[in-house]
Amino acid sequence: EAGVAQSPRYKIIEKRQSVAFWCNPISGHATLYWYQQILGQGPKLLIQFQNNGVVDDSQLPKDRFSAERLKGVDSTLKIQPAKLEDSAVYLCASSLPSGTEDGETQYFGPGTRLLVL
Amino acid sequence: AQTVTQSQPEMSVQEAETVTLSCTYDTSESNYYLFWYKQPPSRQMILVIRQEAYKQQNATENRFSVNFQKAAKSFSLKISDSQLGDTAMYFCAYLLDFGNEKLTFGTGTRLTIIP
Repeated sequence: EAGVAQSPRYKIIEKRQSVAFWCNPISGHATLYWYQQILGQGPKLLIQFQNNGVVDDSQLPKDRFSAERLKGVDSTLKIQPAKLEDSAVYLCASSLPSGTEDGETQYFGPGTRLLVL
Repeated sequence: AQTVTQSQPEMSVQEAETVTLSCTYDTSESNYYLFWYKQPPSRQMILVIRQEAYKQQNATENRFSVNFQKAAKSFSLKISDSQLGDTAMYFCAYLLDFGNEKLTFGTGTRLTIIP
């Protein structure tokens, strides 16, 4: 079974530029998560989708970050304009629908490492 | 709000020895899940083991086992016969059992296995 796919793996941009990350979850996983992991910290949830609807985006800096999951499968996270403090690893995770066996376990992709100069 | 605390920023142990990583959490809920994730230098978060709070029996996965003390809100990870490939950051995480809630992570423990 293929895991969660993310691209690109690395990105270097200058501040005030824009950047987009892509995630394709495990087949059949209805729930998709984007996490931000700053160096030396645990991941922090940015946004959670259930199919193509947003469940939780309370910690997403909406003035510069946006995310979509239009067809309920893959997702894009965008930052515009980027700031120095956005340098981090962006992790995508997916899980089966809540209430199903193993529905509480989130499976992570390899992450995208972003460096803002 | 739930919090997860990992009080050991770094640990090291000789290859083939046993090591225990500590985790405590704070919650007023009774039904939840606890996880240990491993993050090697590649930065991919890999599930090591999980525990359902309603289960009294401690979870075990090969060389990995947990000591789950619900009353004390403690969830430690024991790695037996440690191997060089176990070198990684280890994160403890909490998930409330109420729909697809967000994972709350600790700050991690950097484990180094010494040859």
